[in-house]
Amino acid sequence: SQTIHQWPATLVQPVGSPLSLECTVEGTSNPNLYWYRQAAGRGLQLLFYSVGIGQISSEVPQNLSASRPQDRQFILSSKKLLLSDSGFYLCAWRKRLAVPSYNEQFFGPGTRLTVL
Amino acid sequence: AQSVTQPDIHITVSEGASLELRCNYSYGATPYLFWYVQSPGQGLQLLLKYFSGDTLVQGIKGFEAEFKRSQSSFNLRKPSVHWSDAAEYFCAVGEGGKGSSNTGKLIFGQGTTLQVKP
Repeated sequence: SQTIHQWPATLVQPVGSPLSLECTVEGTSNPNLYWYRQAAGRGLQLLFYSVGIGQISSEVPQNLSASRPQDRQFILSSKKLLLSDSGFYLCAWRKRLAVPSYNEQFFGPGTRLTVL
Repeated sequence: AQSVTQPDIHITVSEGASLELRCNYSYGATPYLFWYVQSPGQGLQLLLKYFSGDTLVQGIKGFEAEFKRSQSSFNLRKPSVHWSDAAEYFCAVGEGGKGSSNTGKLIFGQGTTLQVKP
């Protein structure tokens, strides 16, 4: 079966510090990968998605970047955190097939980031 | 542009009462529709999905949803709510297409927080 991991689970960082959040998927290959941010009281905002190694699409301009160094690894980074980067970050994966019925995404447990 | 609207931000129901959470979507083609549930501090869990066929779909935990094309709606229902159903619920519409054009992106509504009174 497939599993998705995120770490760390929680993180408190000062403004201006760097960030690295990691997401890994097990039990599947060549997945689509996604990073979302969920701010308090708001819905999910898609930040980045990737359809393959080294292929990153950004959905919104921001202070963050993403990388996919390996097939099942997705990393969210920042060189200098802002207060507005605080939130709950969710990673998700999806089978990349031509059949639309595999369109659902499966979510990781999330990382709570607080920038002080 | 595709969008999803969940008109109710908060809903409170009594335990044992019926529940309906509303979802309206805007999408040019046949939509792929989903309902997810999120407990506090957790990731999202898929409740059910609609791609085609029978417009009434059954999901986990006793939930069901009905796709109504004429109303652009995909409302979530449960006949009898349990205290453990208290959570945040998200409706989403999936981007279609096949092969390289199928990015699988989901567009989420803002969510509805369900509170269950004892």
